[in-house]
Amino acid sequence: SQQGEEDPQALSIQEGENATMNCSYKTSINNLQWYRQNSGRGLVHLILIRSNEREKHSGRLRVTLDTSKKSSSLLITASRAADTASYFCARAMGYSTLTFGKGTMLLVSP
Amino acid sequence: DVKVTQSSRYLVKRTGEKVFLECVQDMDHENMFWYRQDPGLGLRLIYFSYDVKMKEKGDIPEGYSVSREKKERFSLILESASTNQTSMYLCASSFRRTGYGYGYTFGSGTRLTVV
Repeated sequence: SQQGEEDPQALSIQEGENATMNCSYKTSINNLQWYRQNSGRGLVHLILIRSNEREKHSGRLRVTLDTSKKSSSLLITASRAADTASYFCARAMGYSTLTFGKGTMLLVSP
Repeated sequence: DVKVTQSSRYLVKRTGEKVFLECVQDMDHENMFWYRQDPGLGLRLIYFSYDVKMKEKGDIPEGYSVSREKKERFSLILESASTNQTSMYLCASSFRRTGYGYGYTFGSGTRLTVV
């Protein structure tokens, strides 16, 4: 399957800094979604951006989508220790299932 | 609060046993999914279901089967557990197909160890 990649694999920052994670994919999409996973738990849906949207905000989260480059970015502003988690992008291709990447591990230190 | 509930957080089974992983959602969602998650491999889709008594193979269905007799319940069955099925298993559901703009709600996961 065309999974695409998240970049970086791991990111370590200080509280208060911004965190940026990137997601690339290979085939056209209907929408792209971002999920968070705290250690050893299930995934939590954060935000969805449709293929005809370029930017979306939700609280401290900002997602961009560039369909010409087949890439998306998730920005978390003013990070907190509680943001420490793994973040996954997931592509919806057609009307089928989601395809997840391998994730970015974010560590936010106090 | 809407929920997807997986019956066990941790499970230890012996090689060759038949294993049932249960998943129940209380949101009247049409679609249900089973993924497994392994380090370095991310989430891989095992089986999914768009309706009661319907099932579709995902990317890695070998060694697994599923059952969806009621809308709210989706069971994953390991017919004869093997050590390479040691993994974190995640159940998810969605109101409609994701292409229409719906996200997934995940359960907390079942960490299965086959010895």
